[in-house]
Amino acid sequence: EDKVVQSPLSLVVHEGDTVTLNCSYEVTNFRSLLWYKQEKKAPTFLFMLTSSGIEKKSGRLSSILDKKELFSILNITATQTGDSAIYLCAAHTGTASKLTFGTGTRLQVTL
Amino acid sequence: DGGITQSPKYLFRKEGQNVTLSCEQNLNHDAMYWYRQDPGQGLRLIYYSQIVNDFQKGDIAEGYSVSREKKESFPLTVTSAQKNPTAFYLCASSIDRNSYNEQFFGPGTRLTVL
Repeated sequence: EDKVVQSPLSLVVHEGDTVTLNCSYEVTNFRSLLWYKQEKKAPTFLFMLTSSGIEKKSGRLSSILDKKELFSILNITATQTGDSAIYLCAAHTGTASKLTFGTGTRLQVTL
Repeated sequence: DGGITQSPKYLFRKEGQNVTLSCEQNLNHDAMYWYRQDPGQGLRLIYYSQIVNDFQKGDIAEGYSVSREKKESFPLTVTSAQKNPTAFYLCASSIDRNSYNEQFFGPGTRLTVL
């Protein structure tokens, strides 16, 4: 059975802190790993990672994939209250571009 | 203005009634998906469709049905056979069934069965 596990489940930090969110996966026919941010309703796409060791960066967010150890991390530096959200990790598996999601990490950034 | 729309935003139904959730996209995407989200459980795949007139069961298809008569539309029916239908339902689409691109999500429908 395909499995994606995220940790921690929830996290409270102060504005300005740096956070690291973790995602490990055990899936058949792994294709790529995706990160989404879900604030209130629709998850919005952040990154897609297909190659090991190549960091993807967007502003204060960055992510990297390790295909040997089967995990990915999402880093957020200088956190702001607007970063408060659920961060979802998902793996593309097998055919038909199916995504298997983790349970998400709920991040709360306080003043 | 391209995107995915879902309606209604909130839906209340009595136990034992079937209910249909709408999902429409004008992105010209081939593939469409239905997910269910429960607190603490992430997103679980209900059904997906890679092309018009074709669809496949996901991980939790029991008690649900779908159709894909048009490229832009992928309605989901929650039947009375679904044991615990109260949840947040998300529809998504991706450009091509043969590639591994990101999925784009609609705003969701929150279904409450009383």
